[in-house]
Formats: sequence, C-alpha cells, structure tokens
Amino acid sequence: DTAVSQTPKYLVTQMGNDKSIKCEQNLGHDTMYWYKQDSKKFLKIMFSYNNKELIINETVPNRFSPKSPDKAHLNLHINSLELGDSAVYFCASSHGQGLRSGANVLTFGAGSRLTVL
Amino acid sequence: QQQVKQSPQSLIVQKGGISIINCAYENTAFDYFPWYQQFPGKGPALLIAIRPDVSEKKEGRFTISFNKSAKQFSLHIMDSQPGDSATYFCAASMESGNTPLVFGKGTRLSVIA
Repeated sequence: DTAVSQTPKYLVTQMGNDKSIKCEQNLGHDTMYWYKQDSKKFLKIMFSYNNKELIINETVPNRFSPKSPDKAHLNLHINSLELGDSAVYFCASSHGQGLRSGANVLTFGAGSRLTVL
Repeated sequence: QQQVKQSPQSLIVQKGGISIINCAYENTAFDYFPWYQQFPGKGPALLIAIRPDVSEKKEGRFTISFNKSAKQFSLHIMDSQPGDSATYFCAASMESGNTPLVFGKGTRLSVIA
C-alpha cells in the first residue's frame, strides 16, 4: 500500500492550460504539504495544510490553488500554466503539531513531473 | 535568503570510501536537523536526524556530526556502496511546529566500483 500517492506521475501540457495534481495519504497524518523541486533539485515548500486548514502559504503565484477536501487529501490546481512551472511537484504528509509528535518527519510521495510546452 | 547551505553540489566516491556532505545553517532557533535521501524517480525519504543536545548520532553506516557553535552539521557515510548513490538533502526546522522543513540544495552522490 502506497503511503502518499500522487496522480498523475507525468503531466505534459501547453502554456495557458489549467491542470490539477491529486494527492492522498493513508497514514492517518493530519498535516500535508506541497513542495516544488526544480531542475537543479532544489526543494521548496509551497503550501502546508493541517486538518484541512491552510497554515503555510509561501510566496507562490495565486495561479496555484491548493484544496484540501479532507485531511487525507491535498490537491493542487494550477491555472494559466507558464514555462517556469515545469518542475517535479511533491506531496508530503506528517503527523501532529510540534516536533515531539513527529510533525517534521515528512513522508513524501513519488512526485508528479509537470512539463509545460 | 538561503537558510541552509549545503556542499558539495556533487560528490564521487570510490566503493568502500567515506562520503562527507556538509551543511551550515543561519537561524539559531533551528533545533531539528534531518537528512533525506532521494533516489531517481522517487520522493525524498528520511535517512537520519539529530537534535542539538548531542554532537553525534550514528545509525549503521550513517553518522551525523553536529557543531552547534559553528552552526554546522555533516553526514558521513562509511564504507560507501554503489547503492548509496542518490541525492542527499540536509534540512532544518524548529520544534515549535508550524514551521516547514527548510532544505539545502542537495548533493548528488555517486559511488563507483
């Protein structure tokens, strides 16, 4: 059983299109994240949700809109895709709030590679 | 502002050798320092982590050395194996929670036979 699963694994689309990436975790975690990994492998936090509520929103264009229908799901919708959005997007989850409860032990999905042409 | 600086960017080590990756941080409030390992086509996975109340933590062939006064920590991989070839990320965060892990830029390790 996959702990954190993302779909699709690969996504190729044209500039200006709108696309979504879905993420689901079956670990019972209550915090979920989206990270962006660029071509140089740099990992950057985009969003964090705890129990369906947004708690971190880094400097990300408002074309990116996360949606958390429940604490096991965190989807990422991207409007008006641009060339610079090409990257691998990782979903991750963790348990609880605060370090002692393991909040900073992240379990990552396998990633979704987005290519914008 | 890059809060966690990692070096080298890439590293080639002979099989059986010692791989050393270094990280430096700026925020003295950081109190949790993990290392993540990422294989091609996979997501990063927690390898080993340390808190600043100890100067060293060892798990099998992997050791973290921590120098609080210098604000530096490093990963040592003893008896490096080809299967250790991956990208390694150091990271840092605060125990207070609600603060995301801040990652270094990664080190691509290649262990050659």
